[in-house]
Amino acid sequence: KQEVTQIPAALSVPEGENLVLNCSFTDSAIYNLQWFRQDPGKGLTSLLLIQSSQREQTSGRLNASLDKSSGRSTLYIAASQPGDSATYLCAVKSYIPTFGRGTSLIVHP
Amino acid sequence: DAGITQSPRYKITETGRQVTLMCHQTWSHSYMFWYRQDLGHGLRLIYYSAAADITDKGEVPDGYVVSRSKTENFPLTLESATRSQTSVYFCAVGQGSSYNSPLHFGNGTRLTVT
Repeated sequence: KQEVTQIPAALSVPEGENLVLNCSFTDSAIYNLQWFRQDPGKGLTSLLLIQSSQREQTSGRLNASLDKSSGRSTLYIAASQPGDSATYLCAVKSYIPTFGRGTSLIVHP
Repeated sequence: DAGITQSPRYKITETGRQVTLMCHQTWSHSYMFWYRQDLGHGLRLIYYSAAADITDKGEVPDGYVVSRSKTENFPLTLESATRSQTSVYFCAVGQGSSYNSPLHFGNGTRLTVT
């Protein structure tokens, strides 16, 4: 059974900091890994998708990397802003898509 | 997002009642998924479907029934609702024909069982 862990569970930082969110998984036989953002009381918004053959993907201030052999992905957020405050979830697609419990991020002005 | 419509957005029901949550996609993508989200557990897969008339259990299927007679619709039925099924339910669609496709989520249904 795939287990997905996200560290840290919560993070509070001042505006402007560069951030690294971590996602680890136990079974390296994956199809892809997808990062989402969830605002309180809302649905999930897709940020980045990395296929198993890829090493990283970038979108604006976001960069996600994947090391399948070690079972790790990181989401790098550059120059954080208060609008980045949300919960960030990773989903690992192996036999079934499995989610981590998320990192709750607060960026204060 | 107009691509996936979940209804109702909010539902309050009593223990023992049957409840059906609807999920409709405006595309005709193959894969559809039902998740529940609870504090302390995160998102857990209930059922998924690879195509019309093909469904399979996820991590927490007990107490739920699904059907998929049409590609666009994937209803989730709670046959006899229990308080432990109070949760936020999300429908997701794989945006493409392969299992590799990215997931896209609906806005969710908040269900309260009294």
